[in-house]
Amino acid sequence: EAEVAQSPRYKITEKSQAVAFWCDPISGHATLYWYRQILGQGPELLVQFQDESVVDDSQLPKDRFSAERLKGVDSTLKIQPAELGDSAMYLCASSYRTSGSAGELFFGEGSRLTVL
Amino acid sequence: KNQVEQSPQSLIILEGKNCTLQCNYTVSPFSNLRWYKQDTGRGPVSLTIMTFSENTKSNGRYTATLDADTKQSSLHITASQLSDSASYICVAGPNAGKSTFGDGTTLTVKP
Repeated sequence: EAEVAQSPRYKITEKSQAVAFWCDPISGHATLYWYRQILGQGPELLVQFQDESVVDDSQLPKDRFSAERLKGVDSTLKIQPAELGDSAMYLCASSYRTSGSAGELFFGEGSRLTVL
Repeated sequence: KNQVEQSPQSLIILEGKNCTLQCNYTVSPFSNLRWYKQDTGRGPVSLTIMTFSENTKSNGRYTATLDADTKQSSLHITASQLSDSASYICVAGPNAGKSTFGDGTTLTVKP
């Protein structure tokens, strides 16, 4: 069964360091999402891509976060510099349908970030 | 501000028993409501997706209901199993990207 692949699963870093997360969506899925989930809370959308274009990055802290999906397939989320408050699970999800539809979201296993 | 509130925050039941989780939402625009199951340390897995015109949808032992007039949804789990122990997240919104997630109900099923 096709899955959304994410790496690394776990990352420990010191504050002010740079960190990057990678996501490979299910083949053929045009829409890709990055979420941040703080322990005990629901996921919060950071950025949404339709193919290689950003559809929504209104909640992305652009002073330190960046995201790209250069060829419209896999994607990278970067944080530089990392802060203590960035400790969270970073989830990637993909959907077959276009961004404005009710298509099912398929989530990856997430990348757990701990900032010391 | 769009909000999704879930209750109870946590729940403990014995294996084999039924339970119902609640979700109240104030989201606009609204067209669909989703329930996800999230095991500890894992990504969420979709259980059900309902459009505003649907009242109920089942997925095995999971049955979701939706009352769009009162803006309430529930997830009923029948004959619970140990593997049902997880967080259950309610999501409401116009589409997959613009939806608001609840903070989840943590269910513990004990033998």
